[in-house]
Order: sequence, then structure tokens, then C-alpha cells
Amino acid sequence: AIQLTQSPSSLSASVGDRVTITCRASQGISSALAWYQQKPGKAPKLLIYDASSLESGVPSRFSGSGSGTDFTLTISSLQPEDFATYYCQQFSTYPITFGQGTRLEIK
Amino acid sequence: QVQLVQSGAEVKKPGASVKVSCKASGYTFTNYPIHWVRQAPGQRLEWMGFISAGRGDTKYSQRFQGRVTITRDTSASTAYMELTSLRSDDTTVYYCARLGPTGWFDPWGQGTLVTVSS
Repeated sequence: AIQLTQSPSSLSASVGDRVTITCRASQGISSALAWYQQKPGKAPKLLIYDASSLESGVPSRFSGSGSGTDFTLTISSLQPEDFATYYCQQFSTYPITFGQGTRLEIK
Repeated sequence: QVQLVQSGAEVKKPGASVKVSCKASGYTFTNYPIHWVRQAPGQRLEWMGFISAGRGDTKYSQRFQGRVTITRDTSASTAYMELTSLRSDDTTVYYCARLGPTGWFDPWGQGTLVTVSS
């Protein structure tokens, strides 16, 4: 199975900060990667798909980039509602796998 | 709006089975696959398998092969995930998710907590 490793595992930041989260795949997955946001007690929400496409309705401060094995999620200017846990997911091959998550906390 | 609503929390004894439902609304159920994912507290999301809601084809993670069965009832726009031979480490939240037009999981159900305890 393809392993996804996110870094950092947790991150403290302030409102207005620019934040970058990375996701590294154990083998090349082209652009078959998505990013999800999950808040406590809630289901994940799709933010970015195909590595860099913004899901409809998601604020433009979220962006994704990368291909092959290295990917990034960037939040250009953190808002209070962005403090959550973020997961990457690959859909290149089965089994579908997820990263371990990055918890974004308020500094 | 497109929505998936799951059945309520369950408490089961070790060795028992659980069947979780996922009712779809707001779209043509048979047009999109339904996947199942679980998440233990503080752990990463874990994919279990999916069903093609139209044809009924299924694919399962090898980790759950033999213990999980995913079915659907097209007349009720509902998918089901049954997990057998429950163990304590099956205590977790189970989610269904539609594989949407983008080819990714959107939306997700609200989650169903399954607790396995003697």
C-alpha cells in the first residue's frame, strides 16, 4: 500500500499567517491526491482534489500543489475557522490511503 | 442538497456483527459509488471498501477482506456496511462517503460510532 506521510504532525499559527502542510507519498501517484479538513466531531470536508483543483465553495485562500511524490497544501491567510486537522488522501491505487493528519492550532 | 445520513450509534459485544446504513438524498443514488472509511480516536482515516451503487460491484481493503460486506438497496437509496467478528479495536467511527463528480469523496455522512465492549 502507498504510504502518505504528512509534516508537520501539528502546527501552531496565528490568524493571518501563511501556513504550508506537506504530504509525501511512498511512491509516485501523479496528481491523484486530495486534501480534507476535519473539525472535532465532524466528518472530513473536501478542499482540494487532483492535487491542485479547488473544490467548489472552498475559499480561495486554500491552494494545493505538487505531483509525483511531494505535495503541499497552503493557506494564504489563516482565518479563525481554519483551525482544524488536515488530511491528505491518495487515489492512485487501491487501497486508498490517508496521511496521519496535521493538527493546526491557534498560537 | 446532496446529503448522506447514517444510522445511529451501536454497542456490540466481541464476536458480534454490526450493520451501518447510509441513506443518500439530493442526487441520483445509482450514479455514484459509496465508500466506507473508519477513524479510531486520534488515528488516521482508514479506507474499508466501496460499492458501485448502480451495478452493485464491490471492492474491499485486504485488511477487512472476509469480515466486511457492503451492499445497497437502490429503491431506498441506501448503502450498508456490515462488519462481522467484532473486536475491541473495531471501536471507532465509521463514515460513508460518496465518490462525487470530481472523483473524490464528497460529501461524507455524519459518522456512526460503533463501540465493541463486553
